Amino acid sequence: DAGVTQSPTHLIKTRGQHVTLRCSPISGHKSVSWYQQVLGQGPQFIFQYYEKEERGRGNFPDRFSARQFPNYSSELNVNALLLGDSALYLCASSWGTGLGYFGPGTRLTVT
Amino acid sequence: DAKTTQPPSMDCAEGRAANLPCNHSTISGNEYVYWYRQIHSQGPQYIIHGLKNNETNEMASLIITEDRKSSTLILPHATLRDTAVYYCIALYSGGGADGLTFGKGTHLIIQP
Repeated sequence: DAGVTQSPTHLIKTRGQHVTLRCSPISGHKSVSWYQQVLGQGPQFIFQYYEKEERGRGNFPDRFSARQFPNYSSELNVNALLLGDSALYLCASSWGTGLGYFGPGTRLTVT
Repeated sequence: DAKTTQPPSMDCAEGRAANLPCNHSTISGNEYVYWYRQIHSQGPQYIIHGLKNNETNEMASLIITEDRKSSTLILPHATLRDTAVYYCIALYSGGGADGLTFGKGTHLIIQP
């Protein structure tokens, strides 16, 4: 079975732009969580979606939003990009709402 | 979720057992202990988890003290590919990922 997939793998954006990151969970998993990992730090929780409903939100500004589709894939959107948004964005999927399996991440660079 | 504390770094010789400690003195009765590792710039990889009993799988063993205040992840025969940051996390059974913090983990360096 395929693992968690994320696209794109790398992305370069300019300050003020908008970005959409995508995640496809492991087949059969109904939950997707998003994390931001800046250099030298552990992953920080952003959102969790389960059965297409938001189940948790971390301490991130409203510029960050997400949604989950009927096929359980998910998008993370970030508006008005700042330099500090440069990070590795990780998606994890699980059958329930607990910890799960991570994808390879999307490396976002904001210039 | 209980806060966990880990040493920032550890060295281990290749072929030897690597023992990574984790303190979770405020863990509650239904919080599981999870271990993940992250090799540079890749997504974290699940290793093992447990509640009370010691657990073993093809990757590692998890030893949880009787009072559950600490645990040790054991990599029985460390290889250079085991060099990574190892995260110890406590999470309620059925709990959500919200509020979860990975911390900085332990940077394990396997020496040839």
